[in-house]
Amino acid sequence: AQSVAQPEDQVNVAEGNPLTVKCTYSVSGNPYLFWYVQYPNRGLQFLLKYITGDNLVKGSYGFEAEFNKSQTSFHLKKPSALVSDSALYFCAVRDRNNFNKFYFGSGTKLNVKP
Amino acid sequence: DGGITQSPKYLFRKEGQNVTLSCEQNLNHDAMYWYRQDPGQGLRLIYYSQIVNDFQKGDIAEGYSVSREKKESFPLTVTSAQKNPTAFYLCASSSQQGITDTQYFGPGTRLTVL
Repeated sequence: AQSVAQPEDQVNVAEGNPLTVKCTYSVSGNPYLFWYVQYPNRGLQFLLKYITGDNLVKGSYGFEAEFNKSQTSFHLKKPSALVSDSALYFCAVRDRNNFNKFYFGSGTKLNVKP
Repeated sequence: DGGITQSPKYLFRKEGQNVTLSCEQNLNHDAMYWYRQDPGQGLRLIYYSQIVNDFQKGDIAEGYSVSREKKESFPLTVTSAQKNPTAFYLCASSSQQGITDTQYFGPGTRLTVL
């Protein structure tokens, strides 16, 4: 079975500091991994994805994610956090056996304080 | 929120009522999805459809029904059999061009049972 886990319900960082939001995955074969962001009472917005190739993936709004196969992780990062980055972040994996299905983590709330 | 619209934004239901949530997309996507979001639980798949006149149950289909008569539309009916329907409902769509494609989400409908 495919799954992702986000071990932190909440992450707090100060504005200007680097941020990391963690995600680990469990899949058979090579994973197709995604990060989404959700602002209050809104739908999810796509940030970035890893399919193959370079382990460091760059996405929207200055975010990047590092794929680590040995640790089965796909952590979201940003060198310098903004207050406007405060939101709910979801990691997801696409099912290789049924690519119409996506499995989402439980979400991590990012709080960036001025 | 891309080319996906959901209506209404807020919906109130009385006990024993069926209600229908609308989802329309103009992205020419073949696949459409309905998710339920509860606090701390991430997104759970209710139904998905790969093509017109075909749909599949997701992980929590009980108490819900869908139809897919047009490519652009995928309405969700929350029936009286759904015992705890209060939640945020998200519709999404994706291309069938390849497994690397992401999902695009609508802005969501918040359903509250009175």
